[in-house]
Amino acid sequence: KQEVTQIPAALSVPEGENLVLNCSFTDSAIYNLQWFRQDPGKGLTSLLLIQSSQREQTSGRLNASLDKSSGRSTLYIAASQPGDSATYLCAVRPGQAGTALIFGKGTTLSVSS
Amino acid sequence: EAGVAQSPRYKIIEKRQSVAFWCNPISGHATLYWYQQILGQGPKLLIQFQNNGVVDDSQLPKDRFSAERLKGVDSTLKIQPAKLEDSAVYLCASSLVVVEQFFGPGTRLTVL
Repeated sequence: KQEVTQIPAALSVPEGENLVLNCSFTDSAIYNLQWFRQDPGKGLTSLLLIQSSQREQTSGRLNASLDKSSGRSTLYIAASQPGDSATYLCAVRPGQAGTALIFGKGTTLSVSS
Repeated sequence: EAGVAQSPRYKIIEKRQSVAFWCNPISGHATLYWYQQILGQGPKLLIQFQNNGVVDDSQLPKDRFSAERLKGVDSTLKIQPAKLEDSAVYLCASSLVVVEQFFGPGTRLTVL
């Protein structure tokens, strides 16, 4: 059974710091991995999607990497801003294209000005 | 392009009452998902539709939860009767089969 773990559960940093959020999964047979952002009381916003054949994806200040063989992904946020404060969720899609996502519990990030 | 729409946004009911949630996916998205997110947890799949057929409902508490997707577009999720532990955010998502999922704003349910 696929399990997704995110470390740390919470993180507080001053504005301007570069930071890394970690995600690990137990079964390396995944179709893709997706990082989401969730603001309090809101739905999920997709940040980056990495296909199983890819090693990384970048969008602006965000960079996500995938090491499928070791069951790990990292989300790198450069030059953090107070507006980055949110919960970041990692989710994997198991081996087949149409299957639903399995989520971690998330990392709650707080960036102070 | 319009996103995934959900209503209502908030609902407060007493235990043993019934409640229904509605979802309208992104136009053309054949796959629709309902997830339950309990406070402090990641979303957990309740049911997945492909057009108007059920693909996966293995984690749906079928004694109290039901869902349908008529004509392969809109979907409703119903809880009857509700329990205290059903308090959560109910998220609807849609996707084309092989690309990313897009989520709606969710319905926050409080059961008293």
